[in-house]
Amino acid sequence: DQQVKQNSPSLSVQEGRISILNCDYTNSMFDYFLWYKKYPAEGPTFLISISSIKDKNEDGRFTVFLNKSAKHLSLHIVPSQPGDSAVYFCAASPSPDNAGNMLTFGGGTRLMVKP
Amino acid sequence: NAGVMQNPRHLVRRRGQEARLRCSPMKGHSHVYWYRQLPEEGLKFMVYLQKENIIDESGMPKERFSAEFPKEGPSILRIQQVVRGDSAAYFCASSPGTILETQYFGPGTRLLVL
Repeated sequence: DQQVKQNSPSLSVQEGRISILNCDYTNSMFDYFLWYKKYPAEGPTFLISISSIKDKNEDGRFTVFLNKSAKHLSLHIVPSQPGDSAVYFCAASPSPDNAGNMLTFGGGTRLMVKP
Repeated sequence: NAGVMQNPRHLVRRRGQEARLRCSPMKGHSHVYWYRQLPEEGLKFMVYLQKENIIDESGMPKERFSAEFPKEGPSILRIQQVVRGDSAAYFCASSPGTILETQYFGPGTRLLVL
C-alpha cells in the first residue's frame, strides 16, 4: 500500500524550461512534506519542504505547491539546468519534528534536463 | 566536517552468509536512521537509533536483521543468512535531533546477494 506516489518515473525537459514533478499521497495524517534530490551513487539530499498550513514555499529556482484537499504536491524548477538532472523523491511525515519512523518516501522521478 | 560515511560502498554476499553494513554519523550527530531502497522503489524506513539505544525498529524485518549504535564506533546494520531479496541499497542518515530537514544521508551500501 503506497501512501506516497510519484506516478511519473521519468521526465525530460529542455534546459531553461520549467520542470514540474508531481506527488500524491493518501494518508490524511501527513502534515509535512519534503523533496529530496539524489544523484547516482550518492545519498538523497534535502531540497525543500512545506507544511500543510501553507500552499506554497519558494527557495530560489525551486517552488513547492501543496493542494491539501487534493492530497497533491508538486515541485517546480525554473529555469531547469542540466545540473538538475537527478532522481527526485517526495516524502511525507505527520510532523516536521519526527523520529524518522514516519518519513514515507515516494518511488522517485528521474529528471533529465537536456542542454 | 565530514559527511555521513558508509562502508563498504558495495558488498557481495552469497545466500546464507552474513552482511555487516557500517555507518559513521556526522560529528555531533547522535541520531542514526537506516533506510532500505529496493530496485525501482523509494526509501523505506527500517530503524532509528540513538547511542546505545534502539528507539524505533518498526520498519525492520523481525528475523535476520539487527542494528546497533554502540557508545563508541559506527552504527552497524547486520543481516544474517542473507537471501536474494535482501539485495538493495541501504542508506544511513544522521541528525543532531529529530527535525527532519537536519537528516543527512550517507552514500549508501549496495548489497548484492548471489
